[in-house]
Amino acid sequence: GESVGLHLPTLSVQEGDNSIINCAYSNSASDYFIWYKQESGKGPQFIIDIRSNMDKRQGQRVTVLLNKTVKHLSLQIAATQPGDSAVYFCAENTGGGADGLTFGKGTHLIIQP
Amino acid sequence: KAGVTQTPRYLIKTRGQQVTLSCSPISGHRSVSWYQQTPGQGLQFLFEYFSETQRNKGNFPGRFSGRQFSNSRSEMNVSTLELGDSALYLCASSLGGVSDTEAFFGQGTRLTVV
Repeated sequence: GESVGLHLPTLSVQEGDNSIINCAYSNSASDYFIWYKQESGKGPQFIIDIRSNMDKRQGQRVTVLLNKTVKHLSLQIAATQPGDSAVYFCAENTGGGADGLTFGKGTHLIIQP
Repeated sequence: KAGVTQTPRYLIKTRGQQVTLSCSPISGHRSVSWYQQTPGQGLQFLFEYFSETQRNKGNFPGRFSGRQFSNSRSEMNVSTLELGDSALYLCASSLGGVSDTEAFFGQGTRLTVV
């Protein structure tokens, strides 16, 4: 069954606002988590990753939070822009490399003007 | 440097036929993984090749197979196509080491089975 899931299928935010996309995972052995962004007609694009020995990692306008106690992962996007509109997937990898990534169903982020 | 290249971009096949999809990884990457993406099941892992050997395999029937060449290019084959095989097939490449976990995806091949 699915070991990684997303709470909301669609999230609509106003341009300029911050957005938070959530993800729950069930495999306590997972040691690496990734967020991908997929725009229409394109393959998934790497956004940010985090290892299980960390609880927070920041990139440009994005922050990933990992709560291992409740097996929860979130992606925060600051000051959303129209180009942020896409489907966002969380994925977990217990073995390293591209092998065996388990993806969540995805959240469609819609940026309202 | 060039990204992951998948060919063809679009394909229409008839039930019962077979199909071969191709993936050229980023130069220097030795690991290639394949995924099937459908609206109902999302992204599902098919298999992963590293240095011409299948290193991991997902839960797909034997009709789905693959191989990797010495230049790291990979192909996947689906035999006896079924309507349910209609999907976007994505490949991802990575350097393949334990610490090299960032995977780069191609744009995918959209397969339609009629």
